[in-house]
Amino acid sequence: QVKLVESGGGAVQPGRSLKVSCAASGFSVRNFGIHWVRQAPGKGLEWLTFISVDGTHKEYTDSVKGRFTISRDTSKNTVYLQMNSLRSDDTAIYYCARDSRYGDLGEYDSWGQGTRVTVSS
Amino acid sequence: SSELTQDPPVSVALGQTVRITCQGDSLRTYYARWFQQRAGQAPRLVMYGFDNRPSGIPDRFSVSNSGSTSSLTISGAQAEDEADYYCSSRDSGVNRVLFAGGTKVTV
Repeated sequence: QVKLVESGGGAVQPGRSLKVSCAASGFSVRNFGIHWVRQAPGKGLEWLTFISVDGTHKEYTDSVKGRFTISRDTSKNTVYLQMNSLRSDDTAIYYCARDSRYGDLGEYDSWGQGTRVTVSS
Repeated sequence: SSELTQDPPVSVALGQTVRITCQGDSLRTYYARWFQQRAGQAPRLVMYGFDNRPSGIPDRFSVSNSGSTSSLTISGAQAEDEADYYCSSRDSGVNRVLFAGGTKVTV
């Protein structure tokens, strides 16, 4: 059974860092692109970043480029999102999602339940 | 980069048909994907590609594509279809993903 479980969210002060995790089960992250998508309170979905199947290619949306870093540990079958210099507008639920095997980029066939990040002083 | 835009919120009577649209230049190159997000839940894929439904999605959901527009139709809407629907596509020329702002469907 394919499953994605996010963890590591919480409350953090502006300017600080936080690392959230996406633990995969039922498949290997070596074989699928994994993305992070967030949703601010009462707002829509915003794509943030992805890591390619071979782990070498990463892309970021402009609002997080230089502050957020995606990585993975294949031995733990887990993808991470390191978030630095956090701002109040980074407050959101952070979801990880898996690309479908034969579909196009962003054709997500599985989502996690999300982890909530609150940036506030 | 491109952007995608969707309709404002819509209401549909139980059993009736509703269509919501998504527009953007990227849809001239890439098919739209449609995600359903019920209140308090994670999104899930309901339509993708030319007119494809993932396993478990009822056939009352369909999609049509023309030029820079994709339209999601729910034929015979049910109470469980009440949700926010998001259109998405690959961004043109770059390895990024676009989401439109979403359309709330009330049944």
